[in-house]
Amino acid sequence: AQKVTQAQTEISVVEKEDVTLDCVYETRDTTYYLFWYKQPPSGELVFLIRRNSFDEQNEISGRYSWNFQKSTSSFNFTITASQVVDSAVYFCALSESDAGGTSYGKLTFGQGTILTVHP
Amino acid sequence: GAGVSQSPSNKVTEKGKDVELRCDPISGHTALYWYRQSLGQGLEFLIYFQGNSAPDKSGLPSDRFSAERTGGSVSTLTIQRTQQEDSAVYLCASSQDRAFWNSPLHFGNGTRLTVT
Repeated sequence: AQKVTQAQTEISVVEKEDVTLDCVYETRDTTYYLFWYKQPPSGELVFLIRRNSFDEQNEISGRYSWNFQKSTSSFNFTITASQVVDSAVYFCALSESDAGGTSYGKLTFGQGTILTVHP
Repeated sequence: GAGVSQSPSNKVTEKGKDVELRCDPISGHTALYWYRQSLGQGLEFLIYFQGNSAPDKSGLPSDRFSAERTGGSVSTLTIQRTQQEDSAVYLCASSQDRAFWNSPLHFGNGTRLTVT
């Protein structure tokens, strides 16, 4: 069975601090996708990034960066110079593959990390 | 519309009543998913529709839950004889097609269901 673990339930930082959200996953699939979603107080799940299992390059998008390490089954998310608007619940998710090995949108989510950024 | 639309945004119902939740996916998206977000269980997959294929119902928690998708677009999630443990936010998502190399899941704002 697939599993996604976000060990940090809550993180509190002061604005401009860097913060890393951890995600560890378990899967038997050889092809899979990993995701990060942001859920602000408004409730909508906002897509942040998708990474497939064959691409271990780290990615940076503005203040956001992601570190995918297949050897440790981790897909960590770092926010540099955090801002109050970054306060939200962040979810890491893992896709499942069908019998033919195609990943699709049946996702296993972690429990989420509540990030609070104080001014 | 620009995004996935769900209605109602909030629903309060008495235990034992039936409820229907509606989802309008992004136009042209062939794949549609229902998820449930509750305090105790986090985000859980419920059901998946792709085109005219038989839906993947593997996440439905009981036979009181059912869903249909008419005309390959709008979907309705029905919960019969609601129980208090059904209280949760029900999220709908769609994607351009089944495969992820085209587009990720886009989620709606959800329907918050409260069973009293």
